[in-house]
Amino acid sequence: QQQVKQSPQSLIVQKGGISIINCAYENTAFDYFPWYQQFPGKGPALLIAIRPDVSEKKEGRFTISFNKSAKQFSLHIMDSQPGDSATYFCAASKNSGYSTLTFGKGTMLLVSP
Amino acid sequence: GAVVSQHPSRVICKSGTSVKIECRSLDFQATTMFWYRQFPKQSLMLMATSNEGSKATYEQGVEKDKFLINHASLTLSTLTVTSAHPEDSSFYICSASPGTGDQPQHFGDGTRLSIL
Repeated sequence: QQQVKQSPQSLIVQKGGISIINCAYENTAFDYFPWYQQFPGKGPALLIAIRPDVSEKKEGRFTISFNKSAKQFSLHIMDSQPGDSATYFCAASKNSGYSTLTFGKGTMLLVSP
Repeated sequence: GAVVSQHPSRVICKSGTSVKIECRSLDFQATTMFWYRQFPKQSLMLMATSNEGSKATYEQGVEKDKFLINHASLTLSTLTVTSAHPEDSSFYICSASPGTGDQPQHFGDGTRLSIL
């Protein structure tokens, strides 16, 4: 049973456009929702994270939108750049980030010049 | 920011040998470390969770005698792939967490293991 469903599997966006990746979770005990960015041959790097007590969090060009009632959250990348081309993983955990993370299957983003 | 160092970054060895991978937290004490395995174009699969000074907790289907984990100090955990075979070839990634407060996991850069 996959507890965090991520879509789309892949995404192509033109430079300057908005990239949107969606995730849905099932376990209502989750209380921490991070997004990770992974480049080929590297480990995942924490991009931005949110807790269910807020509906949106913005850091630079990256925004998480969170809908607790729908059990969904999404990552928006504004003004997408070729350097943003990477694989993005959403995740969820209980008891903050130091507990086991449940990952989505990932989205390969390609930002065309 | 917090840094987790993983070594080696790449290793190629013959079938039947054992390989040790190190994961170090460089600027914080990691109460908990996690070991993941990642196949090409797939997500991270948690193999085991290790807490300093105690035995690791393995996920279902992961052979504890095959993948030996030691977390002897607050800054170092090791994963030893024993008697490695070609099917053990994969990308292995560790992460570390202080285990307190609002501190997320920080990941190492992974180890590409290739068994010939």
